[in-house]
Amino acid sequence: AQTVTQSQPEMSVQEAETVTLSCTYDTSESDYYLFWYKQPPSRQMILVIRQEAYKQQNATENRFSVNFQKAAKSFSLKISDSQLGDAAMYFCAYRRRMNYGGSQGNLIFGKGTKLSVKP
Amino acid sequence: GAGVSQSPRYKVTKRGQDVALRCDPISGHVSLYWYRQALGQGPEFLTYFNYEAQQDKSGLPNDRFSAERPEGSISTLTIQRTEQRDSAMYRCASSLFFKSNRDTRSPGNTIYFGEGSWLTVV
Repeated sequence: AQTVTQSQPEMSVQEAETVTLSCTYDTSESDYYLFWYKQPPSRQMILVIRQEAYKQQNATENRFSVNFQKAAKSFSLKISDSQLGDAAMYFCAYRRRMNYGGSQGNLIFGKGTKLSVKP
Repeated sequence: GAGVSQSPRYKVTKRGQDVALRCDPISGHVSLYWYRQALGQGPEFLTYFNYEAQQDKSGLPNDRFSAERPEGSISTLTIQRTEQRDSAMYRCASSLFFKSNRDTRSPGNTIYFGEGSWLTVV
């Protein structure tokens, strides 16, 4: 079974600085998707960034980027120029690749990292 | 609709009562998922549907939990004889679904979440 591990329950960053959140996962599959979701105090689940395992290039979305190390099964999230609005719980998630037969995988989440941003 | 809609947003029920939580997915989304999230934890998978077919219910904790999606759109998660340990946020999510082999390399079919239904069992 696939598992996702976030080893940092809490992290803190100074406004305008850079912070990296760690995520590791375990799977025997070679093709899959990885995601980072943000959950602010409102408890919404907001997609931050996604990565296809077959792509070697790391995904980037504005101030958010990932460091995807497939061999190490590592998927860290880097937030540059941190802003107060970045304060939230961040969840790393794994999803297996769709099969042609039509099945789809559900998301498997880590336990989350609570990020605080200091002004 | 424009987003995944869930109702009720908040539900307080007495232990032993049955509750039904409703999810209206994004229009056109074929796949629908139910998750449960306890405070301080990540979402935990319960079950999911493609159209009206329940593809995987391995996450349902016991037979008091059931879900249906009879017409392939709106879904209901039912918890019978509620217990205090059932208190949590129940999240619904939906995504598009591609059947073509050409789509096996498509972007990861992002799953969009609703705002959740808070269930408190007293």
